[in-house]
Amino acid sequence: DGGITQSPKYLFRKEGQNVTLSCEQNLNHDAMYWYRQDPGQGLRLIYYSQIVNDFQKGDIAEGYSVSREKKESFPLTVTSAQKNPTAFYLCASSPARTVPYEQYFGPGTRLTVT
Amino acid sequence: DAKTTQPTSMDCAEGRAANLPCNHSTISGNEYVYWYRQIHSQGPQYIIHGLKNNETNEMASLIITEDRKSSTLILPHATLRDTAVYYCIVRSVIYGGSQGNLIFGKGTKLSVKP
Repeated sequence: DGGITQSPKYLFRKEGQNVTLSCEQNLNHDAMYWYRQDPGQGLRLIYYSQIVNDFQKGDIAEGYSVSREKKESFPLTVTSAQKNPTAFYLCASSPARTVPYEQYFGPGTRLTVT
Repeated sequence: DAKTTQPTSMDCAEGRAANLPCNHSTISGNEYVYWYRQIHSQGPQYIIHGLKNNETNEMASLIITEDRKSSTLILPHATLRDTAVYYCIVRSVIYGGSQGNLIFGKGTKLSVKP
């Protein structure tokens, strides 16, 4: 089955630790995205990548880092510099070369930092 | 900031049509109207999009006013599984840089009741 996988579904970390969230897609999509969602709020864009080895900051990139070494993978690292890391993190992908295009979302990772 | 205005919440009886309004009075000629929904603790799901004509697919219908300043998403026979937050998003057809990114507001929480 084609789709986007995020692992793990739930993640717990101690404050001060970096943590990497996984996102893999087998849809052969060029573009991939990371969003953050806080309770009762909409999604906010952290980073996006339109092509391998290139990525751009979104609206709330501070305290996060990404890499895009392979087309199918776009891992997000939540660093200790992120002041409020506890949130629901969503990864998405889209066939960027086609307009208009929709984004396909993964199931999300709920990160809790204590 | 999101360029759309939606009611915070709506109720609908099971089996009846759910009509979800959205105002986008500042929409420009090169922007589409997109609808996504998010069932609790899952990733958002694409529903439908349109530019100026009304659109219908297997999930829903999208009615866009002639001046394009507002639209209505119609779920013709709502079921309990349609209970979700529905996001109306305007999105540029121009691809490149940050243009074309989705900007999520808080959406409308639709509760379908038996």
